[in-house]
Amino acid sequence: DVKVTQSSRYLVKRTGEKVFLECVQDMDHENMFWYRQDPGLGLRLIYFSYDVKMKEKGDIPEGYSVSREKKERFSLILESASTNQTSMYLCASSPNRGRLEDEQYFGPGTRLTVT
Amino acid sequence: DAKTTQPPSMDCAEGRAANLPCNHSTISGNEYVYWYRQIHSQGPQYIIHGLKNNETNEMASLIITEDRKSSTLILPHATLRDTAVYYCILYIQGGKLIFGQGTELSVKP
Repeated sequence: DVKVTQSSRYLVKRTGEKVFLECVQDMDHENMFWYRQDPGLGLRLIYFSYDVKMKEKGDIPEGYSVSREKKERFSLILESASTNQTSMYLCASSPNRGRLEDEQYFGPGTRLTVT
Repeated sequence: DAKTTQPPSMDCAEGRAANLPCNHSTISGNEYVYWYRQIHSQGPQYIIHGLKNNETNEMASLIITEDRKSSTLILPHATLRDTAVYYCILYIQGGKLIFGQGTELSVKP
């Protein structure tokens, strides 16, 4: 089975802190994604990557950056956390490079609270 | 952006078929219809997708109308573990799956 793991299930950070959310997948997938999920807004795509060191902006990239130094790992970085970044963050992966319509496998999510 | 409309909630009796509707009247010819579900406190899970033809897999069936303006996800024998939020999503060229509000399905004994 494909497994996508995220470094924390719950995280509490202070305003202005730099926050790293880590995601690892173990099935050699080419594509990886970061979403955030908020009540009433559904899932919104922040960034995605279809190759090591490659990244593409999603719908709401402002305030975030990403890093993909290894194929299996995709990190989401909040350079200076703000309260409006309090949310559930979901990582996903899919197998074939650039075929973004493929089935996506999601991790369990990280619930981030910024105080 | 193309958009889907789903009822916010539905109930279904355990063991009966659950039929979840989705309207996508502005769908364009090369857009796929995807269904995912999200069980409480878990990440979304892929169910099925289709373009024009009806599709079936071990989890569900997808019926797409001939004009492609609507579709129905069918869970043939719903169980309590099928209680979840079900998302009908259009794959938009350029690679973004846009998740809307979804339908909260409650399967009751």
